Amino acid sequence: GENVEQHPSTLSVQEGDSAVIKCTYSDSASNYFPWYKQELGKRPQLIIDIRSNVGEKKDQRIAVTLNKTAKHFSLHITETQPEDSAVYFCAASIRGGSYIPTFGRGTSLIVHP
Amino acid sequence: GAVVSQHPSRVICKSGTSVKIECRSLDFQATTMFWYRQFPKQSLMLMATSNEGSKATYEQGVEKDKFLINHASLTLSTLTVTSAHPEDSSFYICSARRDPGADTQYFGPGTRLTVL
Repeated sequence: GENVEQHPSTLSVQEGDSAVIKCTYSDSASNYFPWYKQELGKRPQLIIDIRSNVGEKKDQRIAVTLNKTAKHFSLHITETQPEDSAVYFCAASIRGGSYIPTFGRGTSLIVHP
Repeated sequence: GAVVSQHPSRVICKSGTSVKIECRSLDFQATTMFWYRQFPKQSLMLMATSNEGSKATYEQGVEKDKFLINHASLTLSTLTVTSAHPEDSSFYICSARRDPGADTQYFGPGTRLTVL
């Protein structure tokens, strides 16, 4: 089955800096890659996703890049703010009726004011 | 939007009792819902896939007799933790998809179960 590795497990940055979280996956058939943000004790919320027909997607301060050849994808957050502090999870899956995502282990992002 | 609710948000029970957790899709019909378990500072672990009108599909290592799942309607799935023990204490989260072929999941707010 699919295996998703996520790094780093903890990331500490100063407000205004950029943050990058990286994930690799093992199943070359995976073609849908969402990123979730989870604040303490709350539900994971989808913040951005990318499908395999594109290499990059951007939404304001958040961007995701995908390298299908290398089987890795990354989340980029620019101009970080304290409210960006949370745990971020990547996931990989195959689109379709049997879609079941495999999640990475999560990255705890801490943005210091 | 796509809103998923869960009830209760917190439950504390004695060892040996059973606890039912409800997951509802409020503004869409969900033929498939997922149940996850999350330990502190860890990732989401898929327990089972709940299919409306049919038996749930359990992940390897998850006891189906321990974690009973019923998906009785297109908007409701329930997870019953039977004969709960302290090691069952965890954060349980459900999710749902709007359409069978959709890839995006919408998560419920989670249920914090504490077994004394």
